[in-house]
Amino acid sequence: EDQVTQSPEALRLQEGESSSLNCSYTVSGLRGLFWYRQDPGKGPEFLFTLYSAGEEKEKERLKATLTKKESFLHITAPKPEDSATYLCAVQAGEYGNKLVFGAGTILRVKS
Amino acid sequence: ETGVTQTPRHLVMGMTNKKSLKCEQHLGHNAMYWYKQSAKKPLELMFVYNFKEQTENNSVPSRFSPECPNSSHLFLHLHTLQPEDSALYLCASSRGTSGETQYFGPGTRLLVL
Repeated sequence: EDQVTQSPEALRLQEGESSSLNCSYTVSGLRGLFWYRQDPGKGPEFLFTLYSAGEEKEKERLKATLTKKESFLHITAPKPEDSATYLCAVQAGEYGNKLVFGAGTILRVKS
Repeated sequence: ETGVTQTPRHLVMGMTNKKSLKCEQHLGHNAMYWYKQSAKKPLELMFVYNFKEQTENNSVPSRFSPECPNSSHLFLHLHTLQPEDSALYLCASSRGTSGETQYFGPGTRLLVL
């Protein structure tokens, strides 16, 4: 059974304090790994898609990387507006578009 | 209006009520999805529609009944729900079902009394 585990469950950072969120996965035939950001009371907002080990993508203070077993979301010099829940999801199998989500990491950045 | 919209944003219903959730996408996509997000649990896929045809039902109880009249609109009809069905119901869409990115609406916060 495909599984996605995110750690830590919650993370508190001071503004400017860089850190990383982890997403480890166990799937048969990874076709894509997705990162989303979710603000309270809102739907997930798409951030990145990674398809193969070694791939990296960046957007402002965020950088996502992928290995054969896990993905990291690096946050450099975070600001309070980066506070949100960050969700990781994987797509596996030969066909279809089913996403399996992790439980998320709640990030709080204090000024 | 752009993206994926959902109405209503909030809904309170009794266990004997019948209500419907509506989702509309303005992205020209062909696939639409319903997800359930309960507190402290990962998003759970409920249904997938591709070109108006249901392609996945993730063992969802029959008190949830989806309807997809065209590629832009998706409904979730609710009847005789239970309190444990209280959750955030999210709609998403994608261009197809071959690995394309899914884009989410804001969700409907449902409370069943």
